[in-house]
Amino acid sequence: SQELEQSPQSLIVQEGKNLTINCTSSKTLYGLYWYKQKYGEGLIFLMMLQKGGEEKSHEKITAKLDEKKQQSSLHITASQPSHAGIYLCGADREGGSEKLVFGKGTKLTVNP
Amino acid sequence: DAGVTQSPTHLIKTRGQHVTLRCSPISGHKSVSWYQQVLGQGPQFIFQYYEKEERGRGNFPDRFSARQFPNYSSELNVNALLLGDSALYLCASSIGQGINTQYFGPGTRLTVL
Repeated sequence: SQELEQSPQSLIVQEGKNLTINCTSSKTLYGLYWYKQKYGEGLIFLMMLQKGGEEKSHEKITAKLDEKKQQSSLHITASQPSHAGIYLCGADREGGSEKLVFGKGTKLTVNP
Repeated sequence: DAGVTQSPTHLIKTRGQHVTLRCSPISGHKSVSWYQQVLGQGPQFIFQYYEKEERGRGNFPDRFSARQFPNYSSELNVNALLLGDSALYLCASSIGQGINTQYFGPGTRLTVL
């Protein structure tokens, strides 16, 4: 069963638009990982957040972990077709564990 | 540097057969984890091995087993295949020792007929 809720399940945006994907847990997150997956392929690591209130950015993607460490958001600025794919959040629920629990993913389509 | 590699890329088996999937971690990484991803779902944790010892096991039946070799590569074995075992099997490696960011391979697509 999936223990992380991602929203929305799918998203279609026009190129150049900003968007946000959310990942919510009912339990404290010791580490929160964001990955991107092209259909049927492996996961590409984007960012990892550990501390409440932490925010990281890479190119046009920003991820934040809220103060209570139960929700994370991924924000893409000025989206491009290359941003299309499935975004997955994965959580370390045990602290220092490599047993990640994943959400079902958010499918992003960016129309040119 | 080479990333995580997995073989084979695709595999078709029939019910009742067994299968062995292989994974080579990133050079210098000592921890390997296996995940199963069914279509439309997120990956589910199967096993983690560090320094050739099992460090974690997910909620999978005993038909699933794994091992890690002295060169840190790993095999995942599944016996008595069921239709429901059809999935993308992902291998991930990390440095270990508390540095836990996992880097994933391209996966092996297993189809059970």
